[in-house]
Formats: sequence, C-alpha cells, structure tokens
Amino acid sequence: GENVEQHPSTLSVQEGDSAVIKCTYSDSASNYFPWYKQELGKRPQLIIDIRSNVGEKKDQRIAVTLNKTAKHFSLHITETQPEDSAVYFCAASPLTNRDDKIIFGKGTRLHILP
Amino acid sequence: DTAVSQTPKYLVTQMGNDKSIKCEQNLGHDTMYWYKQDSKKFLKIMFSYNNKELIINETVPNRFSPKSPDKAHLNLHINSLELGDSAVYFCASSQDLGLAGVRRETQYFGPGTRLLVL
Repeated sequence: GENVEQHPSTLSVQEGDSAVIKCTYSDSASNYFPWYKQELGKRPQLIIDIRSNVGEKKDQRIAVTLNKTAKHFSLHITETQPEDSAVYFCAASPLTNRDDKIIFGKGTRLHILP
Repeated sequence: DTAVSQTPKYLVTQMGNDKSIKCEQNLGHDTMYWYKQDSKKFLKIMFSYNNKELIINETVPNRFSPKSPDKAHLNLHINSLELGDSAVYFCASSQDLGLAGVRRETQYFGPGTRLLVL
C-alpha cells in the first residue's frame, strides 16, 4: 500500500519569508496529491492539489511541485503571514478505484514568527 | 450553511461505555468517510461508504461499527470504549464521478468530534 513521508514535522519561519514542506510517496500508481491545512481546533481544508500530469501548480502565494520520477512533491508558501500558522498535511492516492484511499503524511506544524 | 456537520462536538465518557457520533452532509456527495486523528495529529482513514455501501474498512477493531442510513448520513457507533479510543474523529465526504467510479478528489471534512475516554 501507499506510504507517505512528510518533512519537517515542525517548521518555524520569519514572517515574510518562504516555507517549504516536502513529501515522498511509495506507490507509483498514485496520481493525485492534495495538501490540506488544519488550523488549531479546526477541520482540515484543501488548499491546493496537483495531478501527475502536471509538474507545478500555483495559487497566489502557494505553489506545489511534483517529481514523479523521484516520487516526491513539495508545498511552497511565499511571503508568509501569521494566518499561515497551522498544521499542513500532504497526501497521495491513485484514486482510480472506489477503494483507493487518500493516504496522509504525518503533518508539518508551521509557525510564522513575528 | 454547514456542508458537513457532526454531532456531538465533544464527547467525554467512561471506559466501557457505548457511544455514537453522527455525520450529515448536504453537498449531495456519494461517498462519506470516517477518519481518526490521534494526539500526534496523524490522520488515518477508518471507513468509507459509497451510496450506503461499505467500500473501505481499515484494520479497525470491530467495536467500531459504521452505519449509513442514506448517502447523506454516516454514523459511527463505538462499543466498549477504551482509553486508546480518545481522539478527534472526522467525518468527510466527496463526490463520485459516476461512470468511471472515480471519486472527485476533494474531501470536505466535518468539524470533528473530540472524544475523551476516562
């Protein structure tokens, strides 16, 4: 089955600087890679996703890159702001069959320092 | 309007008790899930249902029994609660694309139920 590794587990970044979170996955059949943000005491919410036919995707200050050969993908947040402080989860899934699961990484706690 | 709702939000109970958590989604989605998030924030799928049919059943103790009366509801009943069951339980939903049986990818999570077993 799929295994998703996420690093670092904790990341502190000065406000205004960039943050990068990296994930690797094991199942070459995975073709869908979402990123979820979970603020303290709240539910996880999708912030961006990428499919295997795309190498990079950007949405304002957030970008995700995917290297299928190396089986790794990364989240980049530029010009970080206090409201970016949260736990971020990467995930991977083939999503071709009904019983395909979305496997989450263990999360990265991002602290934006004033 | 709340897209995915869960009740109760907090649940404090004694070991050995039986409890239920309810989930409802008003998004018209076909697929619903239960996830468990432990104290280390690790999110792990427990079950998924598609149109009231059990699709995913992870290695979960059989004390946990999901029930889907219709595609908008997925409840979770837990028998003989143990200390290790303490966690946040999230319900989620997503939409099947239908013909190909492939799910639309975005999972919409409920607000979570914080279960504490004493």
